[in-house]
Amino acid sequence: EVQLVQSGAEVKKPGESLKISCKGSGYSFTSYWIGWVRQMPGKGLEWMGIIYPGDSDTRYSPSFQGQVTISADKSISTAYLQWSSLKASDTAMYYCARLVSSSWSPMYYFDYWGQGTLVTVSS
Amino acid sequence: SSELTQDPAVSVALGQTVRITCQGDSLRSYYASWYQQKPGQAPVLVIYGKNNRPSGIPDRFSGSSSGNTASLTITGAQAEDEADYYCNSRDSSGNHLGVFGGGTKLTVL
Repeated sequence: EVQLVQSGAEVKKPGESLKISCKGSGYSFTSYWIGWVRQMPGKGLEWMGIIYPGDSDTRYSPSFQGQVTISADKSISTAYLQWSSLKASDTAMYYCARLVSSSWSPMYYFDYWGQGTLVTVSS
Repeated sequence: SSELTQDPAVSVALGQTVRITCQGDSLRSYYASWYQQKPGQAPVLVIYGKNNRPSGIPDRFSGSSSGNTASLTITGAQAEDEADYYCNSRDSSGNHLGVFGGGTKLTVL
């Protein structure tokens, strides 16, 4: 059974750093992209970026480039999303999801999702 | 980059058919995928590819596409289908970057 299990909720102060995780199981972790999706309170889904754990190829949405860092440790089947200096506007639910996408197919979808990690940034 | 446009809200009478649409230039080249999200829950994939349903998704959900518009159709809407629905596709850059539509709130009357 494919599962993505995310780390627990976090409460941080502005300016602090944070790294949240997403552990995959039940499939070949290095053979699929993992994406991160932001959902601010009461708002829609936003595509942040993706990583291919097999070679650590990472792509970012222009909106999130330079604001966050996506990484992965394939030895423990875990992807990460990190901030070096949090802002109040980073308060949101963050989801990881497995992405099915290839260069030679028009298919593109997130088939399995983590349960979400709520990040609250407040002074 | 690309954008995907959805109507913010749609309503349907119980048991009737409803179509939720998603417009964007990237849909001329790539399939849309559709996600259902209920309050307090993670999104769930309901349609991908030309018209594919993951295991466990009822067959009242179907997908179609024409030109720059993708559609999610629910035939015989049920009360439990009331949720937010999002489309997603690869953007036109061809670099595996993606984009979500703004979401459609479906109300079942």
